[in-house]
Amino acid sequence: EIVLTQSPGTLSLSPGERATLSCRASQTVSNNYLGWYQQKPGQTPRLLIYGASRRATGIPDRFSASGSRTDFTLTISRLEPEDFAVYYCQQYANSPYTFGQGTKLEIK
Amino acid sequence: EVQLVESGGGLIQPGGSLRLSCAASGFTFSDYAMNWVRQAPGKGLEWVSSISGSGTTIYYADSVKGRFTISRDTSKNTLSLHMNSLRVEDTAVYSCAKAASRGGGTFDIWGQGTMVTVSS
Repeated sequence: EIVLTQSPGTLSLSPGERATLSCRASQTVSNNYLGWYQQKPGQTPRLLIYGASRRATGIPDRFSASGSRTDFTLTISRLEPEDFAVYYCQQYANSPYTFGQGTKLEIK
Repeated sequence: EVQLVESGGGLIQPGGSLRLSCAASGFTFSDYAMNWVRQAPGKGLEWVSSISGSGTTIYYADSVKGRFTISRDTSKNTLSLHMNSLRVEDTAVYSCAKAASRGGGTFDIWGQGTMVTVSS
């Protein structure tokens, strides 16, 4: 099983600042089958990124992602008020399709 | 519009059984793998099970293997999750999620979920 560890657990920033979220895998995620999701309270997760770096349909370009093998990063260039939420990474290369524990992005 | 609507959740005693359904619309159901994901109250996301578009390839999380059964009915565009021997730790919101391709892939569309509470 591939274990995904996200850091930090909580990130406190102000609107307009840059956010950098990390996701580290316990073993190589083949084909860069790594996705990022955003979840707001009371809402279903929304796909942001797939294939480690490809933005999903309708996702603003302030969201970007990079990485390969075991180290992946989600960057939000300039935080908007609606970006404060919990972010999860997920690998879908091998069953079980594990999620990270999440990073809570909160307003400072 | 692509839509997934879950149903079947409720309050059930430990050891009981429950069947969840997910009605899919707005896309060719058989062209995509489907998944169940759960989220316990205040906790993170946990993948539960996946089934390929053809229904021939199925995976389960270790935590539910042998107790849960995923299935799909292409004629009714419906995904199901049969849950047996339910435990208190199975309490969660259960959501179905569409994969990006027939064989699997990222989860691009999610339903709103149905709550399952296992308690005596």
